[in-house]
Amino acid sequence: DAEITQSPRHKITETGRQVTLACHQTWNHNNMFWYRQDLGHGLRLIHYSYGVQDTNKGEVSDGYSVSRSNTEDLPLTLESAASSQTSVYFCASSPSVPPSSRTFFGQGTRLTVV
Amino acid sequence: RKEVEQDPGPFNVPEGATVAFNCTYSNSASQSFFWYRQDCRKEPKLLMSVYSSGNEDGRFTAQLNRASQYISLLIRDSKLSDSATYLCVAEYYGGSQGNLIFGKGTKLSVKP
Repeated sequence: DAEITQSPRHKITETGRQVTLACHQTWNHNNMFWYRQDLGHGLRLIHYSYGVQDTNKGEVSDGYSVSRSNTEDLPLTLESAASSQTSVYFCASSPSVPPSSRTFFGQGTRLTVV
Repeated sequence: RKEVEQDPGPFNVPEGATVAFNCTYSNSASQSFFWYRQDCRKEPKLLMSVYSSGNEDGRFTAQLNRASQYISLLIRDSKLSDSATYLCVAEYYGGSQGNLIFGKGTKLSVKP
């Protein structure tokens, strides 16, 4: 069965370190998204991609970067981790054409920056 | 700014109760609407799409009022397993692509 997986599921890192969160989908979806979810803020879009070599900034992109070298993967990099980036991160994918009723989420990565 | 607003709750209801959630969206250009369900420490999952004519899926009924920019979800005969956070979602189309805007969620707790 097709799926979307994130790794690691949990990570603790130190302030200032570079961290990369992986997202891999086998739906063959063109669109991929990274969100963060914090208490009181709901899901906020960090970066998104509509296809290979395409990346776009979302609402809260500062301090994050992504690259899309193939259809299946959209890794999220925290260039220099900060305590404010402690959060739960969700990756999602959807087909090209809206509506996005076929958007699927990964299981999430819980990141703690100490 | 594109926003989706929901009452955060929590809604604490007994089993068998009927409960309604409301949601408003700020951008009239929104094209599609959804309700997602999120269990504690889990990923959001699509509960149902919302259509202008209203739609029903078992005990769940969704309504959309485009004139008032208002979306609702009605849950009848609540079950313990309905306890979760319900996310109201609007989709904006940019060119040929869609982008989801999430509300902060409404927490439901169904008690025995």
